[in-house]
Amino acid sequence: NAGVTQTPKFRVLKTGQSMTLLCAQDMNHEYMYWYRQDPGMGLRLIHYSVGEGTTAKGEVPDGYNVSRLKKQNFLLGLESAAPSQTSVYFCASSYSGQDTGELFFGEGSRLTVL
Amino acid sequence: GQNIDQPTEMTATEGAIVQINCTYQTSGFNGLFWYQQHAGEAPTFLSYNVLDGLEEKGRFSSFLSRSKGYSYLLLKELQMKDSASYLCAVMDSNYQLIWGAGTKLIIKP
Repeated sequence: NAGVTQTPKFRVLKTGQSMTLLCAQDMNHEYMYWYRQDPGMGLRLIHYSVGEGTTAKGEVPDGYNVSRLKKQNFLLGLESAAPSQTSVYFCASSYSGQDTGELFFGEGSRLTVL
Repeated sequence: GQNIDQPTEMTATEGAIVQINCTYQTSGFNGLFWYQQHAGEAPTFLSYNVLDGLEEKGRFSSFLSRSKGYSYLLLKELQMKDSASYLCAVMDSNYQLIWGAGTKLIIKP
């Protein structure tokens, strides 16, 4: 039972480089989310999706793009990485919206931008 | 603005009881969640409160007072494995989750 899987787990980028984080879930969940977690701050929502083919902006979407071409996958892209994007990124999924369903999180992807 | 306040760090003794408080000021309220996060790991769901009162689940209980904007997580019979961060999150009127910064709980033998 894999649950929510994120790849890669660790990545170091230079300023201006691009990369994609992949999130995959095998629970047939409709809703998927990308969060970032920084020291001393709560989780902040970057983008989310309420179903295959849909995406929406969260609290801190600037500098990120997402795609949900398949129900089980949610990709987070950084087109031109900046040091401010150094963070731990968590993907999460839920059967329904955040209002009624618990979130299932991946193990996180630690990104460092030099 | 919207705000969730939790103590940054707490220390307790193995076998004891600890209460982690969470106060919130949000635009509307549609429920409060508690999550546990061990260092370097993913948050995992502990509890959900939408009505006032106490919800008990084994060694963990969660309390909510909507009129006071206040919740607490009560952990009984503390074990070393309970050393973790505890995250409080509130669902606002737009059904967006607002997260607190978390409380790091240190358990000493």
